[in-house]
This record gives sequence, structure tokens and C-alpha cells, in this order.
Amino acid sequence: DTAVSQTPKYLVTQMGNDKSIKCEQNLGHDTMYWYKQDSKKFLKIMFSYNNKELIINETVPNRFSPKSPDKAHLNLHINSLELGDSAVYFCASSPMGAGGDKTQYFGPGTRLLVL
Amino acid sequence: SQQGEEDPQALSIQEGENATMNCSYKTSINNLQWYRQNSGRGLVHLILIRSNEREKHSGRLRVTLDTSKKSSSLLITASRAADTASYFCATDGGFQKLVFGTGTRLLVSP
Repeated sequence: DTAVSQTPKYLVTQMGNDKSIKCEQNLGHDTMYWYKQDSKKFLKIMFSYNNKELIINETVPNRFSPKSPDKAHLNLHINSLELGDSAVYFCASSPMGAGGDKTQYFGPGTRLLVL
Repeated sequence: SQQGEEDPQALSIQEGENATMNCSYKTSINNLQWYRQNSGRGLVHLILIRSNEREKHSGRLRVTLDTSKKSSSLLITASRAADTASYFCATDGGFQKLVFGTGTRLLVSP
């Protein structure tokens, strides 16, 4: 059983289009995240939701809009796609650690290529 | 700015050898984690070490933490081809937030 799943795995689209990526976790975690990994493998957090509430929003262009319909799902919608949006987008989840542990469980990634 | 920086950026060894990678960070931490990323996959948590711990073991992994030097090292003993992956350190950057390092790409040749 997949713990954190993302769809689609690959996304190839034209500049200016709008696209969505979906994420689901079946671990019962309260917190979910979106990360962007660029071509140099640098991984940067974009958003985090805790129990459907936005708690982290890291200076991401407002073309990116996350939505959490329930605590098991966190989707990412991107408007007016640009070439620089090409990257691998990872969803992750974590429990609320009693000791401040923040072990995160990652999805397989969505490889976005904007042409 | 980026919290963790790993060294070396890339490491190539033979099966059976040990692999050591280092992570340096800039601010005080509560804990530090190491993750592995196989090619084309998501990150997988390996081990967490708290700021009051100096060393931790998990199977063939040994992690050290020196808070005075703001550095950590990950040692993989008796490496296998299956250990080929990128390894990232991650430090806590505030509420429920992890800040990842630049990663070390490890290649283990048979």
C-alpha cells in the first residue's frame, strides 16, 4: 500500500497553461507539504498544511495555489506555467511529533516539464 | 538561506568500502535528520539525531553530531551497490519545517 501518492508522475505542458498535481497520504498524518526540487537537486519547501490549514508559505509566486480538502489530501494548482517551473514536485507528510520530531514521508514526485 | 551544506558533493567508492559524508549547518537545531533519495524517487528517512546526542547507529549507518561545530557526518559501512543514491541532511527550520542540504551523490561500484 502506497503511503504518500502523487498524480500524475509526469506532466509535460506548454507555457501559459494551468495544471494541477494531486497528493494523498494514508498514514493518518496531520501535516502535509509541497517541495520543489530543481535540476541541481536542491529541495526547497513551498507550502505546508496542518489539518487543512496553511501554516507555511515560502515566498512562492501566487501562481501556485495549494488546496487541502481534508487532512489526507493536498493538491497544488499552478496557473500560467513558466519555463522556470520545470522541476520535480514532491509531496510529503508528517505526524505532529510530540518531541518536535519532524520525520517526513515523501511521495514519488511529479516531474513537470514546461515547454 | 539554505541551512545545510553537504560535503563532498559527489563520492565514488567500491563495494565493501565505507562512505562518509558531512553536513554543516548555520543555526541552532533541535535535531538533524538524514534522508536518502534513489534516482527518480522520493526521499526516504534514514535516521534522526537529537541535539543532545553525539552519535547514533542504525544497522550499517552511523551518524555523529557536533553542535559546537554545527556539523554532522553520516557513515555507511561495508557499502553495497544498492546504497547508490543521493543523501541529504535536514535540520529543523521552525514549526514543522525541514531545511534540506545540497546533498551528496554516492556511487557504489560493484
